[in-house]
Amino acid sequence: GNSVTQMEGPVTLSEEAFLTINCTYTATGYPSLFWYVQYPGEGLQLLLKATKADDKGSNKGFEATYRKETTSFHLEKGSVQVSDSAVYFCALRSGGTSYGKLTFGQGTILTVHP
Amino acid sequence: NAGVTQTPKFQVLKTGQSMTLQCAQDMNHEYMSWYRQDPGMGLRLIHYSVGAGITDQGEVPNGYNVSRSTTEDFPLRLLSAAPSQTSVYFCASSLNGGDEQFFGPGTRLTVL
Repeated sequence: GNSVTQMEGPVTLSEEAFLTINCTYTATGYPSLFWYVQYPGEGLQLLLKATKADDKGSNKGFEATYRKETTSFHLEKGSVQVSDSAVYFCALRSGGTSYGKLTFGQGTILTVHP
Repeated sequence: NAGVTQTPKFQVLKTGQSMTLQCAQDMNHEYMSWYRQDPGMGLRLIHYSVGAGITDQGEVPNGYNVSRSTTEDFPLRLLSAAPSQTSVYFCASSLNGGDEQFFGPGTRLTVL
C-alpha cells in the first residue's frame, strides 16, 4: 500500500535559517505529491504540489521537487520567518482505486525563533 | 464563501455515548472526506464520498458511520464512543477526487 515517511521533529530554527524537511514515499503507479501546512488552531492548507516526476512545486518561498528516482519530495526554504512556525505534512494521492484518497506522513513541527 | 465548516469545535463524551460531527461546504464540491489526526500518526482517512448518495470506507472506518443526502453536508456519526476515538477530526472537500482538497478547522473530541 501507499505510505509517506517524514523526518522526525520537532525542528527548531532561528529566523533566516535554511529549512529542509525530508519526505520519502512508497506508492504504486505515479502519485501526485503535496505539502500541507497546519498553523496553530487551524485546519490544513495546501502549501504546494507536484503531479509528475521532476516537477517543482513552489509557494511562499517554499519549494519541493518530485524525485521519482529517489521517491522523495523534500521541502525547502532558503530563509524561514517566525510566521512559518507550524506543522508540515507531506502527502500523496494515487489514482485508480485510491482516487481522491490522501495518504499523509506523520507531520513535522517547525518552530522558528526570532 | 464560508468554505468548509465543522461543528462543534470541541466535544467531551463519556464512553458509550453517541454523537454526530457536522461538516458542510458551500463550494458545490462533489468529493468530501473525514480524517482523524492523532499525534505522531498524521491524518488517517475514515470515510469518504464521491457525491450525494455515495459513500465508502477509508483506512480506519470502524466505529463510525456516514451518510451523504445532499452535496453540501457530510455528517460523521460515532455510534458508541470509545476512549480510542479521542482525536481531532477534520472534514475536507474538493471539486472532484483529483482536485485540491480544502480542510475545515477541525473538531477536538475527548472520550472519557
